[in-house]
Amino acid sequence: SQQGEEDPQALSIQEGENATMNCSYKTSINNLQWYRQNSGRGLVHLILIRSNEREKHSGRLRVTLDTSKKSSSLLITASRAADTASYFCATGTGANSKLTFGKGITLSVRP
Amino acid sequence: ETGVTQTPRHLVMGMTNKKSLKCEQHLGHNAMYWYKQSAKKPLELMFVYNFKEQTENNSVPSRFSPECPNSSHLFLHLHTLQPEDSALYLCASSQVDRGTTDTQYFGPGTRLTVL
Repeated sequence: SQQGEEDPQALSIQEGENATMNCSYKTSINNLQWYRQNSGRGLVHLILIRSNEREKHSGRLRVTLDTSKKSSSLLITASRAADTASYFCATGTGANSKLTFGKGITLSVRP
Repeated sequence: ETGVTQTPRHLVMGMTNKKSLKCEQHLGHNAMYWYKQSAKKPLELMFVYNFKEQTENNSVPSRFSPECPNSSHLFLHLHTLQPEDSALYLCASSQVDRGTTDTQYFGPGTRLTVL
């Protein structure tokens, strides 16, 4: 069964606005990661948050993790047209080297 | 560039052809992965190799045959594919310590079309 599910499936915002994307998962995790994919290309790692962390920042990115609710959010502040891409959350259980990915969120940032 | 290269970038093949996808990582990692990405579906893990040993085969049809001759190279041999196998095939690598899941680095993918 699918572990990570992102919400919403698609998001369209104006340049300069903030974008918030959510991810829910079902089982216990060791860490949760967010990836970005430009159309037809490979995924690029954005940020990793471990199960004992609640919040993490990287540049314009802010990730939160709530293990009691089994959910995470990715906030992109002051969005740019270049942020247009698909965003995926992935969960690692720590039991092996596998990650389980969600279907992804399509973010469109209008200039 | 992520340090993971894939060739070819695009491949069109008939159902009776035999072809191979190649992946090479220049990051010194000890684990490599093949994923299949189809439209409107989650990324599907196909195979995992840790230290050149296959540790995962997610019920992948035998028409897909992986090969990992060393920790830097990974191949996916294709034969008698079906049109529904058309997808973006992504290779990734990571450094695995004590079996934990850490950041994966992806190649640009091979866009496969089966006619």
